[in-house]
Amino acid sequence: DAGVTQSPTHLIKTRGQHVTLRCSPISGHKSVSWYQQVLGQGPQFIFQYYEKEERGRGNFPDRFSARQFPNYSSELNVNALLLGDSALYLCASRIGPLTGLSYNEQFFGPGTRLTVL
Amino acid sequence: TQLLEQSPQFLSIQEGENLTVYCNSSSVFSSLQWYRQEPGEGPVLLVTVVTGGEVKKLKRLTFQFGDARKDSSLHITAAQTGDTGLYLCAGFSGYSTLTFGKGTMLLVSP
Repeated sequence: DAGVTQSPTHLIKTRGQHVTLRCSPISGHKSVSWYQQVLGQGPQFIFQYYEKEERGRGNFPDRFSARQFPNYSSELNVNALLLGDSALYLCASRIGPLTGLSYNEQFFGPGTRLTVL
Repeated sequence: TQLLEQSPQFLSIQEGENLTVYCNSSSVFSSLQWYRQEPGEGPVLLVTVVTGGEVKKLKRLTFQFGDARKDSSLHITAAQTGDTGLYLCAGFSGYSTLTFGKGTMLLVSP
């Protein structure tokens, strides 16, 4: 079975540009979460979507937005890119919404490496 | 903002040695997870601990959740080169967000 897939794998943009990152969850998974991982840091939560509705938002500016489609795939959009947005963007999928319950494991994709020049 | 402090930040050991990495917070978490991340890949879940004082074993890896659910440790016995990677702890606070620590980079040399 295919795992979580993300595209593109690498991306180079310049300051002020806009970027769209894509994620396809594992078949049957209805929840997608997005994380930003800056070099040398742990992943930082950006958004969670479940059944096409936003279920959680981290401490990120409004330049970051996301949506989930009827097939449960998801897009993360970042406007007006800053140098500090350079990071690995991770997508994770799970069957149900993200909670503290142990059986609700989430699976991460390989990430999209975004470089802003 | 709930923070998870991981220590040490970096650990370099020889194959066969034992090691322990720590994850500490001043906040209480409803559950805590440990992940391993290899270069170019996303984190992979190793274990979830839920009950204060809980100990879980996964082959050579032993995970412990503190009695007060504020801290956790990961002990690896007889480390192997395949254990090399970034070890991340992450805690649920009861809301729908998962807070990660900065990780411990482990390098196991032959």
